[in-house]
Amino acid sequence: GAVVSQHPSRVICKSGTSVKIECRSLDFQATTMFWYRQFPKKSLMLMATSNEGSKATYEQGVEKDKFLINHASLTLSTLTVTSAHPEDSSFYICSARGRGELFFGEGSRLTVL
Amino acid sequence: QQQVKQSPQSLIVQKGGISIINCAYENTAFDYFPWYQQFPGKGPALLIAIRPDVSEKKEGRFTISFNKSAKQFSLHIMDSQPGDSATYFCAASISRDNYGQNFVFGPGTRLSVLP
Repeated sequence: GAVVSQHPSRVICKSGTSVKIECRSLDFQATTMFWYRQFPKKSLMLMATSNEGSKATYEQGVEKDKFLINHASLTLSTLTVTSAHPEDSSFYICSARGRGELFFGEGSRLTVL
Repeated sequence: QQQVKQSPQSLIVQKGGISIINCAYENTAFDYFPWYQQFPGKGPALLIAIRPDVSEKKEGRFTISFNKSAKQFSLHIMDSQPGDSATYFCAASISRDNYGQNFVFGPGTRLSVLP
């Protein structure tokens, strides 16, 4: 079964609103989780590294104020897309490292109208 | 140094055939090489992984071949089935680094297995 749960799997929102995506590690503690963005038929683009109890580390070119990451516990990280616009529409995926492996969530399809 | 190259970009194989995807890396500090399988609309799932102390690892129809001196590794799918049609990503990481951004992914290979 899944060891990393991501929710929601699909979300449609209006332009200007904020959307929160949750990523949970189900059977292990994850001090570090990763957030990716994936465009159609493209590879995974690392957006940021979420660290439990501290600030996230963002990749170059990723807007910190646009993509807010909170890692409040050892099993939960959240990504909030603030003031979403149509260009933010994408497939967002989280991952967590546990037992030496990297496990991915099921992904969240965001559509901004 | 951190890049992982992957080829081919896309692959079409007949049912029952062998699918081969190749990856190459530069950073000799990498010591863990997983392959991920991703179906459309889903997150990647770990398929099989290898460490450089062995040259080959087999799990069912999936085999990883690893060439440390050439810094290359490949995925072989034997008796390919239509259900194997997916995008495959190779990756490389430094296993001792439990916290860093150390999983580097290849660009992916879209495999289509024809019935």
